[in-house]
Amino acid sequence: QSALTQPRSVSGSPGQSVTISCTGTSSDIGGYNFVSWYQQYPGKAPKVMIYDVNQRPSGVPDRFSGSKFGNAASLTISGLQAEDEADYYCCSYAGGHTLVLGGGTKVTVL
Amino acid sequence: QVQLVQSGAEVREPGASVRVSCKTSGYRFTNNDIIWMRQAPGQGLEWMGWINVGSGNTQYSQKFQGRVTITRDTYASTVYVELSRLTSEDTAVYYCARNGGGLGYWGQGTLVTVSA
Repeated sequence: QSALTQPRSVSGSPGQSVTISCTGTSSDIGGYNFVSWYQQYPGKAPKVMIYDVNQRPSGVPDRFSGSKFGNAASLTISGLQAEDEADYYCCSYAGGHTLVLGGGTKVTVL
Repeated sequence: QVQLVQSGAEVREPGASVRVSCKTSGYRFTNNDIIWMRQAPGQGLEWMGWINVGSGNTQYSQKFQGRVTITRDTYASTVYVELSRLTSEDTAVYYCARNGGGLGYWGQGTLVTVSA
């Protein structure tokens, strides 16, 4: 169960868009439409922002969107706001009731 | 409302075992599987294992095979994770999370410190 690959950090100015990539394999991201993304503030539990590749839970702003192409997934934050500064993790189902996670990306709002 | 409430912080010596509980409420317990994750200080999230709460069937990360056991008590609507043969590298915050709409609900986290 290898980890998914995410950039360690991305940054953008308020109002800009940023995209976080998450690269896996045909055994995880490429094999299932069960990619989810989590936002985590320091000292807090993670919060789901996107599930099933591109589904947004109730209460999550529509400036958060997800997509997938082949063995890679992406999370895009449009209209970046100061409150979006946090760590973000991608997660994929990998078959047989197993999950695999990315190493996390720190989003900095300049 | 759905809630997952975890047990309090624990301190253990190397070689010992620890059990963390995750009490659920606000939904039918057997409707959703529970996942356990952990996060070492300054590190990322790490998946530990999965329990089908209805059947009790489990699946564990290869990293923890032989050291981790996840169980559930359907009458108490509670899930447990037990980790044995602890080392300092097991110092982390342990989280339970409910599967459904991604991991839509999380416990507050339990800090486990392994120190002599």
